[in-house]
Amino acid sequence: GENVEQHPSTLSVQEGDSAVIKCTYSDSASNYFPWYKQELGKRPQLIIDIRSNVGEKKDQRIAVTLNKTAKHFSLHITETQPEDSAVYFCAASKGSGGYQKVTFGTGTKLQVIP
Amino acid sequence: NAGVTQTPKFQVLKTGQSMTLQCAQDMNHNSMYWYRQDPGMGLRLIYYSASEGTTDKGEVPNGYNVSRLNKREFSLRLESAAPSQTSVYFCASSPGDGTGELFFGEGSRLTVL
Repeated sequence: GENVEQHPSTLSVQEGDSAVIKCTYSDSASNYFPWYKQELGKRPQLIIDIRSNVGEKKDQRIAVTLNKTAKHFSLHITETQPEDSAVYFCAASKGSGGYQKVTFGTGTKLQVIP
Repeated sequence: NAGVTQTPKFQVLKTGQSMTLQCAQDMNHNSMYWYRQDPGMGLRLIYYSASEGTTDKGEVPNGYNVSRLNKREFSLRLESAAPSQTSVYFCASSPGDGTGELFFGEGSRLTVL
C-alpha cells in the first residue's frame, strides 16, 4: 500500500519567516495530494491541494510543489503568523471508481514565535 | 449546514466494554470514513465506505466493526474495548466523485481504562 513520510515532525520559526514541510510518497499511482491543518483540539481542515498534472499551486501565503519523478511534495508558508501555529498533515490519494483512498503523513507541529 | 456530526465527543470505557460511535453527514456525500489519531502517528484509516451498502477495511481494522446504515450515517463499534483503542476518532466524508477533499467531524475522544 501507499506510504507517506513527512518531515520535520516539529518546526519552530520566527513570525515573518518562511516554513517548509516536506513529504514523500511511494505509490506512483497516487494522483491527488492534499494538505490539512489541525489546530489544537479541532478537526483537520483542507488548506490546499494539488493534482498530479500540476507542478505548483499557490494560494496567498501558502504554496505547494509536486515532483512526480522524485515522488515528493512540499508545503511552503511565507510570512508566517502566530495563527499559522498548528499541526499540518500531508496526504497522498488515488482514486478508484470515484472513491479516493487517502494515506496521511505523521504530521508536522509548526510553532510560530511572535 | 451541520456538515459531519459525530457523537459522543468524550467517552470513558472499562476494558471489555462495548460502545458505538455515531456519525452522520448532511452533504449528500457518497463516501464515509473512520480514522483514529494517535500522537506521532497521524491519521490512520480504520474502515471506509465508498458508497451506501459497501464497507471495507482500512489500515487498522482489528477490534472494530462498522455499519453504513444509509447514505447519511456510518457507525463504528468497539465490541470489547482494549486500552490500545484509547485514541481520538474522526469520522469523515467525501463526495466520492473523485474530487478528494475529506470533511471531518469534530472528533470523539475515547479512553479505555
